[in-house]
Amino acid sequence: NAGVTQTPKFRVLKTGQSMTLLCAQDMNHEYMYWYRQDPGMGLRLIHYSVGEGTTAKGEVPDGYNVSRLKKQNFLLGLESAAPSQTSVYFCASRTQLEAFFGQGTRLTVV
Amino acid sequence: KQEVTQIPAALSVPEGENLVLNCSFTDSAIYNLQWFRQDPGKGLTSLLLIQSSQREQTSGRLNASLDKSSGRSTLYIAASQPGDSATYLCAVRLTPMVNAGNMLTFGGGTRLMVKP
Repeated sequence: NAGVTQTPKFRVLKTGQSMTLLCAQDMNHEYMYWYRQDPGMGLRLIHYSVGEGTTAKGEVPDGYNVSRLKKQNFLLGLESAAPSQTSVYFCASRTQLEAFFGQGTRLTVV
Repeated sequence: KQEVTQIPAALSVPEGENLVLNCSFTDSAIYNLQWFRQDPGKGLTSLLLIQSSQREQTSGRLNASLDKSSGRSTLYIAASQPGDSATYLCAVRLTPMVNAGNMLTFGGGTRLMVKP
């Protein structure tokens, strides 16, 4: 049982480049989330989805887009990366009771 | 808006000590509270989950308590070991009536170091 899998694990981007982070879960969860973690800030919610085909904004959505075309996948896109988006990104999915997290993607924008 | 605060931000103790990590939250209309462990460069591992109707949960040397009315939770670690060194995060989930997305709000974490 793989749980929540994020790809890639590391990435370095130049300012203005675009990329997509993939989150896949094999637990048939309806709810999926993208967070970013910055030093001293804890985890902040970027976007979330309550089911296939639905997405909603979280606390810090600017500069990001998401898509949930399949129930098991939640994609996070950066159209034009900025240095302020240097962070560690975590994907999570949940049951009604508990949340499960991926291992994170460390993104550096130079 | 729910705000979650963890104090202290960092803690260093000698091996064998019992210790308490604190988590406070501003909105008491919570559904549950979850404690996570995060090792450097790794993801989050769930340690304990306390439902709003519960007062505490225990797992091995860990005990988490919840006082909804005062907006506080504590994580008690007994007989600490160097392997306990990690960052500990608490996260609060508000009731579905005000939180349709079942989102978690995280504290900033407590970075624990247990010295041999």
